[in-house]
Amino acid sequence: SQKIEQNSEALNIQEGKTATLTCNYTNYSPAYLQWYRQDPGRGPVFLLLIRENEKEKRKERLKVTFDTTLKQSLFHITASQPADSATYLCALHTGTASKLTFGTGTRLQVTL
Amino acid sequence: DTAVSQTPKYLVTQMGNDKSIKCEQNLGHDTMYWYKQDSKKFLKIMFSYNNKELIINETVPNRFSPKSPDKAHLNLHINSLELGDSAVYFCASSQVAGVSGNEQFFGPGTRLTVL
Repeated sequence: SQKIEQNSEALNIQEGKTATLTCNYTNYSPAYLQWYRQDPGRGPVFLLLIRENEKEKRKERLKVTFDTTLKQSLFHITASQPADSATYLCALHTGTASKLTFGTGTRLQVTL
Repeated sequence: DTAVSQTPKYLVTQMGNDKSIKCEQNLGHDTMYWYKQDSKKFLKIMFSYNNKELIINETVPNRFSPKSPDKAHLNLHINSLELGDSAVYFCASSQVAGVSGNEQFFGPGTRLTVL
């Protein structure tokens, strides 16, 4: 069966450390993968996109990797801040048109 | 200016009623979507329209009927509401369908509670 799994329900890290979130998928061959941030009571907000022929993408303190052999994407936030606390969703392009299938999300809590 | 807006933000209603949620985007996008986020925060696509044409129609009960009067608006009508319909419904839009890599812009969500 097809699955998209993100590591653990919640990830707690200390301010200043690097947060690493995992997105694993099975029985999909996505042309691209996106990461979104969702704050409580709000809609998801797009962060980064990485295509199947790209290994790594960066944007400011964010870095995404995509390994189509391992069927895994890693999302890193360096020098994390309490303001980075949110739920992070990975989303795979899983069909024709612009269909995205979302993972279960990882809640990140950055403490002082 | 709000890019993707939804009304109402909260909707509380009785089982069996019919209700509608409205969505508008002012980004000039061609494609719009409806998602359902359940109590476990799992976000699932329901429908997508490209320039008023239905292009994604997931396995959704036919009590749910989307309508797109123009490419800036996508409404969701739900008949005979059931307890299991309680969720947060998000509208989203993206620039073009079928082109890989279009980020989606989400609205603030409509929290539907069926009693």
